[in-house]
Amino acid sequence: SYVLTQPPSVSVAPGQTARITCGGNNIGSKSVHWYQQKPGQAPVLVVYDDSDRPSGIPERFSGSNSGNTATLTISRVEAGDEADYYCQVWDSSSDHHVVFGGGTKLTVL
Amino acid sequence: QVQLVQSGAEVKKPGASVKVSCKASGYTFTSYDINWVRQATGQGLEWMGWMNPNSGNTGYAQKFQGRVTMTRNTSISTAYMELSSLRSEDTAVYYCARVSGTVALNSWGQGTLVTVSS
Repeated sequence: SYVLTQPPSVSVAPGQTARITCGGNNIGSKSVHWYQQKPGQAPVLVVYDDSDRPSGIPERFSGSNSGNTATLTISRVEAGDEADYYCQVWDSSSDHHVVFGGGTKLTVL
Repeated sequence: QVQLVQSGAEVKKPGASVKVSCKASGYTFTSYDINWVRQATGQGLEWMGWMNPNSGNTGYAQKFQGRVTMTRNTSISTAYMELSSLRSEDTAVYYCARVSGTVALNSWGQGTLVTVSS
């Protein structure tokens, strides 16, 4: 089955830029979606189709995808961005179909 | 606005079944697939399967094949996920989520905590 690999944690100071990676075999050929999940809350879609933002998501959230790595970039990080972030793809060759990365805990120092 | 409202928390004994509901509003229920995702405490997101509310067609993750059933009642815009032969490892928050486009889960229910304990 298709595997997505994320770093367990990323730390960044307020105002700086956070980059969270999501590795997968030829992930650049797939559409990658990113979710933010705060404690006790349901996940929220923050980037879809590699780099598009749903309405209401700040422009500070952006995404890219090429080769074997997709990246979620959060610019001008704020304390409120502290959360778990998950990448996700749909893989027709996998029995899982919907595949999530293991998640990355973003800590704002 | 799109809303998915799930049923309340459940406590079940090992070997029992649980049925979680997900009531949709703010859009045409039959126009978007519903997926189910679960999350054990302190763990990541685990995909369980999908259902097309229009046709009733389903697809399940291999891990849950034979134990999970996803159904719907279009007259009340509600999707259901039933999990049988529960074991302690099934203790988790269960989410329904609406799919759009390239299988992005763009709207989520609030989650339903299912606790399996003797």
